[in-house]
Amino acid sequence: DARVTQTPRHKVTEMGQEVTMRCQPILGHNTVFWYRQTMMQGLELLAYFRNRAPLDDSGMPKDRFSAEMPDATLATLKIQPSEPRDSAVYFCASGSDRDGGNIQYFGAGTRLSVL
Amino acid sequence: SQQGEEDPQALSIQEGENATMNCSYKTSINNLQWYRQNSGRGLVHLILIRSNEREKHSGRLRVTLDTSKKSSSLLITASRAADTASYFCARRSGNTGKLIFGQGTTLQVKP
Repeated sequence: DARVTQTPRHKVTEMGQEVTMRCQPILGHNTVFWYRQTMMQGLELLAYFRNRAPLDDSGMPKDRFSAEMPDATLATLKIQPSEPRDSAVYFCASGSDRDGGNIQYFGAGTRLSVL
Repeated sequence: SQQGEEDPQALSIQEGENATMNCSYKTSINNLQWYRQNSGRGLVHLILIRSNEREKHSGRLRVTLDTSKKSSSLLITASRAADTASYFCARRSGNTGKLIFGQGTTLQVKP
């Protein structure tokens, strides 16, 4: 049962703390996306990787957010320092260029609350 | 930022009725996709329609695409309570793998 795995599912932290979210894409997928979902802004693309190379992180606040892919099985999104306005659900999705249509497969998300 | 607009924002119907959701966009597309999101879950891909297609079916789902009007619609026939979810259209343009998602339509199907 291939699926995108995100950890942790829930995170409560205090303002100023570092937050690290992890994502294991579906084996064999070569594209990885990080999204943030809030009621006000909807689904926002934060970062996009293809073959582990960052292609687009224009949607990500550069001063506090960073996204990496240390290897093909792990993508990370870090916030340092975290702020209350970062409270949201963060989704990771993966896909494959081979499917021709770029269907994205989403993880269950990390619900982040910054107090 | 969102570049697709969906309407209605919310829809409430009785079980057995049909539900229609619309999506409009502003620039040319390679394909348009529809996703479902159940409460507290990630998005799930439902159906993809390519720019050279006008209509596509998958079970109780029917998607249409009008590239001249830059719009698409998703029809769910004979709705069930389990169809209660948010539905998002997403468009792909250019050669990137990026999708631009709409704001979504929240569908409630009452038993």
